[in-house]
Amino acid sequence: SQQGEEDPQALSIQEGENATMNCSYKTSINNLQWYRQNSGRGLVHLILIRSNEREKHSGRLRVTLDTSKKSSSLLITASRAADTASYFCATASGGGADGLTFGKGTHLIIQP
Amino acid sequence: DAGVTQSPTHLIKTRGQQVTLRCSPKSGHDTVSWYQQALGQGPQFIFQYYEEEERQRGNFPDRFSGHQFPNYSSELNVNALLLGDSALYLCASSLGTGTGDSPLHFGNGTRLTVT
Repeated sequence: SQQGEEDPQALSIQEGENATMNCSYKTSINNLQWYRQNSGRGLVHLILIRSNEREKHSGRLRVTLDTSKKSSSLLITASRAADTASYFCATASGGGADGLTFGKGTHLIIQP
Repeated sequence: DAGVTQSPTHLIKTRGQQVTLRCSPKSGHDTVSWYQQALGQGPQFIFQYYEEEERQRGNFPDRFSGHQFPNYSSELNVNALLLGDSALYLCASSLGTGTGDSPLHFGNGTRLTVT
């Protein structure tokens, strides 16, 4: 079963604009991670935010986490054509192991 | 520094057959996880291997089994293939910190088609 649900399922914006995608989850978590997947390839880790953190930045990426609402958002600023990909949130719920539960993803298209 | 490598890249099998997929982790990583990704879906966790033992398992039947070797490489075996097993199989490696906060490094996957 998939815990995370990304919203929207698909997003198309113009190059240079900001892209925001959201993730909701159901159970308590240790951390939440965002990954990017280019068509037909493996996933690339973008950023990890722990349950006791509220916001984290990495380059053009900004992630927020609201554990009271069980939700997270990923903001990509000044988008580029190379940002076109599917973005997934994934949660780790504890137990000391690293098995992640992924959502269904948001497919982002950056139009030149 | 080689990343995660998987073989083969593509595979076509017939229902009822058995398949073995292989994975070499990123240098320095000791933990290997396997995921199944159906078309248009997110990856689903199959199982994770650490110190040659299955440490965690997702909601997959016993037809799915695995192995980790002393050099940390891993195999995924699927018996009695069903049409629904057609998917992209992803291997991911990480450091076995035991805290669940080690980012995963993914290979490019094996595309399995069952006919």
